[in-house]
Amino acid sequence: DVKVTQSSRYLVKRTGEKVFLECVQDMDHENMFWYRQDPGLGLRLIYFSYDVKMKEKGDIPEGYSVSREKKERFSLILESASTNQTSMYLCASSLQDRFNEKLFFGSGTQLSVL
Amino acid sequence: QKEVEQNSGPLSVPEGAIASLNCTYSDRGSQSFFWYRQYSGKSPELIMFIYSNGDKEDGRFTAQLNKASQYVSLLIRDSQPSDSATYLCAVSAAGGTSYGKLTFGQGTILTVHP
Repeated sequence: DVKVTQSSRYLVKRTGEKVFLECVQDMDHENMFWYRQDPGLGLRLIYFSYDVKMKEKGDIPEGYSVSREKKERFSLILESASTNQTSMYLCASSLQDRFNEKLFFGSGTQLSVL
Repeated sequence: QKEVEQNSGPLSVPEGAIASLNCTYSDRGSQSFFWYRQYSGKSPELIMFIYSNGDKEDGRFTAQLNKASQYVSLLIRDSQPSDSATYLCAVSAAGGTSYGKLTFGQGTILTVHP
């Protein structure tokens, strides 16, 4: 089974802190994604990566950056956390083939920014 | 602005009934359509995908696609309490290589009561 592991299930940070969310997948997937999920808004794509060191902005990249130094690891960085970044963050991965929209999700990180 | 809209919920159906979940999308060039299921407190998982106009059946689930109307639906026959979850409609980017990038609707909460 594909396993996508997110480093923390719950995280509480202060406004202005730099926050790192880590995601590791064990199935050699090329594509990796960061989504945030908010009630009534569904999942919104923050950033994605289709190869090591390659990254592209999603629909809501403002206030975030990402890093992919190794194929299995994709990090989301909140440069200066703000209260409106309180959310559930979901990492996902997929193969780069004709089924690349079959996303495998991690269990999520519930981030609270106080 | 790419948008995916789902029928407002929550949707409540009795056990054994047909549950109908609907989704419209704004990007006429979209090619691929997906339904993800998310149990409370869990991550989304892919349950159906459809690429061509018409119906696609998989067990108790039927996905329906009408590209002319920009409409996709999911029917669940003989609904069971275990089908109670949030159902997310997702659409892939139009044209070129999507890299698995999806735009999700806001989700419809389905409750199947005994």
